[in-house]
Amino acid sequence: GAVVSQHPSWVICKSGTSVKIECRSLDFQATTMFWYRQFPKQSLMLMATSNEGSKATYEQGVEKDKFLINHASLTLSTLTVTSAHPEDSSFYICRPTGVFRGRGNTEAFFGQGTRLTVV
Amino acid sequence: EDQVTQSPEALRLQEGESSSLNCSYTVSGLRGLFWYRQDPGKGPEFLFTLYSAGEEKEKERLKATLTKKESFLHITAPKPEDSATYLCAVQANDYKLSFGAGTTVTVRA
Repeated sequence: GAVVSQHPSWVICKSGTSVKIECRSLDFQATTMFWYRQFPKQSLMLMATSNEGSKATYEQGVEKDKFLINHASLTLSTLTVTSAHPEDSSFYICRPTGVFRGRGNTEAFFGQGTRLTVV
Repeated sequence: EDQVTQSPEALRLQEGESSSLNCSYTVSGLRGLFWYRQDPGKGPEFLFTLYSAGEEKEKERLKATLTKKESFLHITAPKPEDSATYLCAVQANDYKLSFGAGTTVTVRA
């Protein structure tokens, strides 16, 4: 399957600081990146969608000024949680999509996730 | 709005005790229905994609089936290592995935 690398796997930060999460597609070009958030015992909720070189589109209820998404290249997208607060503590997961080895889209593959804890 | 409902919420099985998980859905323009396995603290791991009613796919002890309204994930003779949360998701024409809440399966030895 496609190789997706998400970093860091976990991070603890102080309230009011910013945290950057990276998502890399190692063996294919990710033309679109989906970012999800997952609270304990709940399913994945889509936060935003970004296309390489374009501004991200945010789902209803997701603050675009708080969750900054950069998708400047076909292999790297970043999610920055700005001025983090305890309620932002969650599990963040990326899902890059593109053409994988010429056989179709990579919608099946996710990053390993980042556990963010804001104290 | 696309909706995905999974049942049961939790399933406790004895090793070797086969069972099925249900995923019922409503979606405008189904591109595919996906099953994933998720272990605690990890991202979802892809299992199957089903594209049309009547389709079936198998992998080891897992078999997924699809109708126009629901999908089933059958676990045959499960082992403790099959313990995980199983997620169902539907993909519409906009390529977005809508997830169910998942079924947490615990298999006791």
